Amino acid sequence: SQTIHQWPATLVQPVGSPLSLECTVEGTSNPNLYWYRQAAGRGLQLLFYSVGIGQISSEVPQNLSASRPQDRQFILSSKKLLLSDSGFYLCAWSVPQLGSPLHFGNGTRLTVT
Amino acid sequence: AQSVSQHNHHVILSEAASLELGCNYSYGGTVNLFWYVQYPGQHLQLLLKYFSGDPLVKGIKGFEAEFIKSKFSFNLRKPSVQWSDTAEYFCAVIPTGGGNKLTFGTGTQLKVEL
Repeated sequence: SQTIHQWPATLVQPVGSPLSLECTVEGTSNPNLYWYRQAAGRGLQLLFYSVGIGQISSEVPQNLSASRPQDRQFILSSKKLLLSDSGFYLCAWSVPQLGSPLHFGNGTRLTVT
Repeated sequence: AQSVSQHNHHVILSEAASLELGCNYSYGGTVNLFWYVQYPGQHLQLLLKYFSGDPLVKGIKGFEAEFIKSKFSFNLRKPSVQWSDTAEYFCAVIPTGGGNKLTFGTGTQLKVEL
């Protein structure tokens, strides 16, 4: 069966420090991969979307970047964190078929101090 | 801008009451529509989806949703809620040609009281 791993679960980082959140998927090949940010009262905002290795679509302008170095690995990064980057980050995957349900990871609670 | 609106941010109901959560979208073309649910401490999971055909879609746990194209709406309903339905509910849309990128609404927090 397919599983998705996302880590760390929580992270506290000072302003200006770098960020690296990792997400891996097991049990499937060539998945679509997603990074969402969830904020209370604001729903889920799609940050990045990938249909294959090295193929990243950035959905909103921001201080973050994403990379997909391997088929089932998706990394969210920042060179210098801002206070506004605090939030709950969710990785998700789906089979590469229109309308396929998304399967979400446990999320990472990031606090920038 | 294209968007998904959920106007009810917090809903409190008693057990056995009927539920209807509103969802409206602003895309002009063909869309695929979804409802996701997040129970306390759990992952988001798919509740139901609409692609085409019968505009009344039935999902898990007795939920259903009706697609009304003329109103750009996809409201979620349940005739009789249970305490275990307490959760946050998200409407989501994929416009045709949008790959499999879901745009989510802001969510509705439902609390069912005994």
